[in-house]
Amino acid sequence: IAGITQAPTSQILAAGRRMTLRCTQDMRHNAMYWYRQDLGLGLRLIHYSNTAGTTGKGEVPDGYSVSRANTDDFPLTLASAVPSQTSVYFCASSPTSYSYNEQFFGPGTRLTVL
Amino acid sequence: DAKTTQPTSMDCAEGRAANLPCNHSTISGNEYVYWYRQIHSQGPQYIIHGLKNNETNEMASLIITEDRKSSTLILPHATLRDTAVYYCIVRVVGSGNTGKLIFGQGTTLQVKP
Repeated sequence: IAGITQAPTSQILAAGRRMTLRCTQDMRHNAMYWYRQDLGLGLRLIHYSNTAGTTGKGEVPDGYSVSRANTDDFPLTLASAVPSQTSVYFCASSPTSYSYNEQFFGPGTRLTVL
Repeated sequence: DAKTTQPTSMDCAEGRAANLPCNHSTISGNEYVYWYRQIHSQGPQYIIHGLKNNETNEMASLIITEDRKSSTLILPHATLRDTAVYYCIVRVVGSGNTGKLIFGQGTTLQVKP
């Protein structure tokens, strides 16, 4: 089934550990995004990528890094997790970043940092 | 991107039309109005978008006022599965934009039997 997959579904992580959240799409979309969702704050953009090989910072990029080596994959890395990064993380993609195309969202990763 | 204002919550009877309002009084000429919804524990789902004309698809209708300062999402026959948080978002479309969506608090729609 075409769409976006995220892994893991959920994770409990000790503070200070490194963690990579995986995101893969099979729709050959150029643009991909990472959002975090916290209670009472809605979804906020962490990083984005307009096309393979390029990335950009969103609203809340500190403590996170991304890479876009190919069209399909857009991993999000927490180099040294902190409790404030406890959140639900959603990956999304769209055919392009500049047109009116809709964004397709993955099922999310629930991350708890202790 | 323009700020939007939505009611915090609304109720609707199953089978009736759900009308969700959104105020975007500072919208500019190149900003589109988008609606997404998020069913509990799932990722957001696109519903519909428009620039200035009313739009309809298999999920909903979007009515945009002539001055574009407000809009209404209409679910014509709400079902229990339409219970969700509905987000009204305005974004610039065009070259050089990131495509990012700015989510506000949305409207929690509760469809009741």
